[in-house]
Amino acid sequence: AQKITQTQPGMFVQEKEAVTLDCTYDTSDQSYGLFWYKQPSSGEMIFLIYQGSYDEQNATEGRYSLNFQKARKSANLVISASQLGDSAMYFCAMRGWGGNKLTFGTGTQLKVEL
Amino acid sequence: DTAVSQTPKYLVTQMGNDKSIKCEQNLGHDTMYWYKQDSKKFLKIMFSYNNKELIINETVPNRFSPKSPDKAHLNLHINSLELGDSAVYFCASSQESTSGRHTYEQYFGPGTRLTVT
Repeated sequence: AQKITQTQPGMFVQEKEAVTLDCTYDTSDQSYGLFWYKQPSSGEMIFLIYQGSYDEQNATEGRYSLNFQKARKSANLVISASQLGDSAMYFCAMRGWGGNKLTFGTGTQLKVEL
Repeated sequence: DTAVSQTPKYLVTQMGNDKSIKCEQNLGHDTMYWYKQDSKKFLKIMFSYNNKELIINETVPNRFSPKSPDKAHLNLHINSLELGDSAVYFCASSQESTSGRHTYEQYFGPGTRLTVT
């Protein structure tokens, strides 16, 4: 079974600053994938970034990067140069290999301020 | 050019009624899912279909019955609706069978907000 923990229910960041959203996970699988999704107030779920457990490099997608620390079982999302449009709920999720369901964390509500 | 679409977007109905939510994806994916997001925003898998075959059924009451007429469609029928069924239901799809490296990310539909009164 997989478990995702997001300990920050809410975060504030100033525009143009960087912010780190925490995610820790627990799994007995040797091979797994970690994902981050964004859910703005409009409600849709937007895929942001993926990290495979055997990927040696941290994943990056534009202003998003995933700080993957396998030994600590953490997969934090870093958003650089925050924009007002980044205000949303962010979900960390994982899947084990051999199963295809995503297990989600409880989410972090990010608010970007002027 | 919508990738994953769901209808309806909003559904308000009374307890005891039967309702359906439809989902279609035009991504050519072979796997589709239903997730439920409760009032606290927690997302949980309900069902997964791969090439029209049910592969995940996560402790969901029998009142919920998914149907996949083809691999591009996955519908969710709910019988005898209860107050606790009020939630946002998301359909998603992914490509599971492929050669080479793949990230298996799931693409979500816009969600259907179901309100049972």
